[in-house]
Amino acid sequence: EDQVTQSPEALRLQEGESSSLNCSYTVSGLRGLFWYRQDPGKGPEFLFTLYSAGEEKEKERLKATLTKKESFLHITAPKPEDSATYLCAVPNTGGFKTIFGAGTRLFVKA
Amino acid sequence: DGGITQSPKYLFRKEGQNVTLSCEQNLNHDAMYWYRQDPGQGLRLIYYSQIVNDFQKGDIAEGYSVSREKKESFPLTVTSAQKNPTAFYLCASSIKWGTGELFFGEGSRLTVL
Repeated sequence: EDQVTQSPEALRLQEGESSSLNCSYTVSGLRGLFWYRQDPGKGPEFLFTLYSAGEEKEKERLKATLTKKESFLHITAPKPEDSATYLCAVPNTGGFKTIFGAGTRLFVKA
Repeated sequence: DGGITQSPKYLFRKEGQNVTLSCEQNLNHDAMYWYRQDPGQGLRLIYYSQIVNDFQKGDIAEGYSVSREKKESFPLTVTSAQKNPTAFYLCASSIKWGTGELFFGEGSRLTVL
């Protein structure tokens, strides 16, 4: 069964304390892995697309990496404004719909 | 600015009433989607449309209906047959169906009184 699992469910960090979020997936023939950021009460905002194992993308304090079974979103020296829910998504086997993980809620305290 | 506009942002419904959520996009995207988001769960697909005048059921279509008469518009009606409609509803679009990233609206929160 196609599935996307994100961990941890919630992560509390001090400002400047680097960490990583995990997204593991089980689909056949990956057609891309997407990371989104969602602020409370808002729609998700696209961050990155990764297509092949070994690929990396960076944006400010965020870096996304991809292996054959999972992706990591590394957050370096986070700031309070990085607090949000981070969603991971992949097209299902066959590619006709996108499957989302439940997300990781990140809290960064000043 | 191009984007997706959802309205209303907040909506209250009484038991037995149908309500319609609006979704308009000016991105010239072919594909549009409706998702439902509940606390602690991933986004679940309600309906999607690959192209104007065409739409397909997603994973949780029961109690919902849609139309796609114009490329820009994809309204969602939550009918009285939906047993648990209180949720956050998100409309999204993509350039083509099944490809690329999704662009989301700001969401509509529906509460049943």
